[in-house]
Amino acid sequence: DVKVTQSSRYLVKRTGEKVFLECVQDMDHENMFWYRQDPGLGLRLIYFSYDVKMKEKGDIPEGYSVSREKKERFSLILESASTNQTSMYLCASSSFQGAEAFFGQGTRLTVV
Amino acid sequence: KQEVTQIPAALSVPEGENLVLNCSFTDSAIYNLQWFRQDPGKGLTSLLLIQSSQREQTSGRLNASLDKSSGRSTLYIAASQPGDSATYLCAVTTDSWGKLQFGAGTQVVVTP
Repeated sequence: DVKVTQSSRYLVKRTGEKVFLECVQDMDHENMFWYRQDPGLGLRLIYFSYDVKMKEKGDIPEGYSVSREKKERFSLILESASTNQTSMYLCASSSFQGAEAFFGQGTRLTVV
Repeated sequence: KQEVTQIPAALSVPEGENLVLNCSFTDSAIYNLQWFRQDPGKGLTSLLLIQSSQREQTSGRLNASLDKSSGRSTLYIAASQPGDSATYLCAVTTDSWGKLQFGAGTQVVVTP
């Protein structure tokens, strides 16, 4: 079974902190994605990566950056956390064009 | 821009009834359509993937159809059970990277 693992289920951080959300997949997938999910706004794409060290902006990249130094790991970085980044963050991976996407268990981030 | 709509937003049925969930999309140029299940506070679980060239997919009590030309997909869940209570999301892929465009979801409650 494909497994996508996010490092934390719940996080509480202070405004202005630098925050790292980690995601690891174990199926050698090329593509990895970070989404955020908010009530009334649904799931929105923040960033994605199609190869090691390659990244592309999604629909809402402002305030975020990403890192992919190894194929299996994709990190989302909040450079200076703000309260409007309180959200559920979901990582996903897929292997090739048209392939099934698999999601992690989600990280509920609260910025206070 | 691709728009994905799910109707109804919420649905309550007694145990044993069949569930019918609808998903529509505005741009028929999709690579695939995927149905997910999400339990409260959790990540997304992939249920079915339908490639753009397919008309339907089945897995156990679940059957999903796709009519690309009319921009519609329907998820049928036969003989519903209380354990089927969850939010069901559909998503389409419209580019080669596998980025997903989601509907807002249908929240399902199956009462014993």
